[in-house]
Amino acid sequence: DQQVKQNSPSLSVQEGRISILNCDYTNSMFDYFLWYKKYPAEGPTFLISISSIKDKNEDGRFTVFLNKSAKHLSLHIVPSQPGDSAVYFCAASSGRGSTLGRLYFGRGTQLTVWP
Amino acid sequence: KAGVTQTPRYLIKTRGQQVTLSCSPISGHRSVSWYQQTPGQGLQFLFEYFSETQRNKGNFPGRFSGRQFSNSRSEMNVSTLELGDSALYLCASSPSPGQGFLFGPGTRLTVT
Repeated sequence: DQQVKQNSPSLSVQEGRISILNCDYTNSMFDYFLWYKKYPAEGPTFLISISSIKDKNEDGRFTVFLNKSAKHLSLHIVPSQPGDSAVYFCAASSGRGSTLGRLYFGRGTQLTVWP
Repeated sequence: KAGVTQTPRYLIKTRGQQVTLSCSPISGHRSVSWYQQTPGQGLQFLFEYFSETQRNKGNFPGRFSGRQFSNSRSEMNVSTLELGDSALYLCASSPSPGQGFLFGPGTRLTVT
C-alpha cells in the first residue's frame, strides 16, 4: 500500500519561475515529513523537513507547506535553477508506534528546469 | 562532520551467492535504517536498528538480514542472491529514531 503518493511523475519549469511539487499521504500517524533530491545511482540529498506542529517551513529557495486536514504537502522552489533538475522524493515518518524509525517514500517527481 | 559512508559502492555477484554491505553512520547517530531502490518498486524500507536492536522490519524475505554494532555501524546481508535483488541499497543515519534521516551514497548491487 502506497501511503505516500506523488501523483505527478514529471514537472517541467522555466528557469526563474516557481516549481511546485506535490505530495499526499494517507496515514494520519505521520508527523514528520521530508523532501529529498536525488540523482541516479546516488543517495537522496536532504532538502527540507517539516513537523506536523507547523504548517510552513522555509530554507532559502525552498519552502514546504503542510495541510494536515487535507493530508497534503508541497515543496516550492523559488526561483528555479537548471541545477535543480533531479528527481524529488517526498517522505514521511511517525515518531511513535510500530513505524518509528521508518521512512515511507513517494515514487518521486522528475523536475526539469529549462533555461 | 563526515557524512554517512557505505562500502562497497559497487558490487557484482552471481545468483546463489551471498553479499554483505556496510554502513557507517554520522558520528553520534545511533539509528540506522536500510532501503532498497529499484525502478519498479521505488524506495522500499528494509529494516531499522537502534542501539544494536532491530526495531522495525519491512516486507522482505528472510534472506535479507542485518545487524548493528556497538559503535552504531551496521551491516546488511543478503543470502542466496536472486536476479531481482539487483538494486541500489541505501543506508540512512539518524541521531534518534524518527528524526533527521541522512542518506549515504548507496551500494549498487548487480546480480548476474
